[in-house]
Amino acid sequence: GENVEQHPSTLSVQEGDSAVIKCTYSDSASNYFPWYKQELGKRPQLIIDIRSNVGEKKDQRIAVTLNKTAKHFSLHITETQPEDSAVYFCAGFNGNKLVFGAGTILRVKS
Amino acid sequence: KAGVTQTPRYLIKTRGQQVTLSCSPISGHRSVSWYQQTPGQGLQFLFEYFSETQRNKGNFPGRFSGRQFSNSRSEMNVSTLELGDSALYLCASSLVHLGAAKLFFGSGTQLSVL
Repeated sequence: GENVEQHPSTLSVQEGDSAVIKCTYSDSASNYFPWYKQELGKRPQLIIDIRSNVGEKKDQRIAVTLNKTAKHFSLHITETQPEDSAVYFCAGFNGNKLVFGAGTILRVKS
Repeated sequence: KAGVTQTPRYLIKTRGQQVTLSCSPISGHRSVSWYQQTPGQGLQFLFEYFSETQRNKGNFPGRFSGRQFSNSRSEMNVSTLELGDSALYLCASSLVHLGAAKLFFGSGTQLSVL
């Protein structure tokens, strides 16, 4: 079955710096990789997603890259702001299950 | 458009009891999926319902079951509750089946089993 590993578990950056969160997956059948942001006490919200036929996708300060050969995908946040502080989850969908990474606590220090 | 609505917001039950949670998807969404969130295990997929049929299932015991009605509203039932079932249960809806469209999450039901 699918297994998704996420690193790091916590990440502290200075406001304005970039943040990178990495995930690896095990099932080569996985074809959809969403990223969710969950602020304290709130529901997870999709921030960006990528499908296996695309190598990179950008949305303003957020980008996701996918390397199918190495089975890993990464979230890049540029010019971080205090409101980016949250828990970020990656996930992989293999046609049957949506499997989440363990989450990364991102702290942006101002 | 109203978002995904989950009821109740909080539940306290004792071991051995059963519980039913409700999820109303965004209007027009046909897929509802359920997730368990705990500090130790993170977010785990329970199952997905699409057009009243269970389409996908995670690795949870048969005590966890669900159903979907013709108006796409979904219920999740947990029988013979165990202490380890204490968690935040989230549902999410999407326009079409899981993996094909954006997921929108509800605020969750916080279940405490004593």
